[in-house]
Amino acid sequence: GQNIDQPTEMTATEGAIVQINCTYQTSGFNGLFWYQQHAGEAPTFLSYNVLDGLEEKGRFSSFLSRSKGYSYLLLKELQMKDSASYLCAVRATSGTYKYIFGTGTRLKVLA
Amino acid sequence: DVKVTQSSRYLVKRTGEKVFLECVQDMDHENMFWYRQDPGLGLRLIYFSYDVKMKEKGDIPEGYSVSREKKERFSLILESASTNQTSMYLCASSMLQRGREQYFGPGTRLTVT
Repeated sequence: GQNIDQPTEMTATEGAIVQINCTYQTSGFNGLFWYQQHAGEAPTFLSYNVLDGLEEKGRFSSFLSRSKGYSYLLLKELQMKDSASYLCAVRATSGTYKYIFGTGTRLKVLA
Repeated sequence: DVKVTQSSRYLVKRTGEKVFLECVQDMDHENMFWYRQDPGLGLRLIYFSYDVKMKEKGDIPEGYSVSREKKERFSLILESASTNQTSMYLCASSMLQRGREQYFGPGTRLTVT
């Protein structure tokens, strides 16, 4: 079957660094996305990885290892507004536009 | 900015009613999607469309149908609503090319009583 695993909840302190992991087992791989979703709001796009390595975007970075079926989202200099759910999604098979989403990681940032 | 709008934020319907959820995007995107989001289950794909009048089933299409008569509009239809269809429904759109992110609407929280 196809599966994406993320931790359910994480807690971190304002100003700290947090790493949210995502492991996936899919029939194919055509890219991995990270989205942020604040409570009661729509998910918004954060990052995209299709090749191995690190993609950096300001305070947020995302890493991919295709051989290990593993990605992480790194958030630096945490702010209270970073309290949200973080969704990992994989586009599994070429020729289709289906995306498989993980259940999300709820991050609480404490003062 | 890309804008995806959904017809209602909150909707309450009775069991057996026919329900229409409308989604409109203003960025000329080819792809449009309907998901439902439930606690502990994440986002699950109901249907998607990659062109006008084209549709493909997602992972949980049972009890739903869709319509895409115009490029900007994608409708989700619950032919006969049931209580297990109480959920948050999210519409999304994206460009056709690989690697293009999805843009989500604000969601419709549907309650079926």
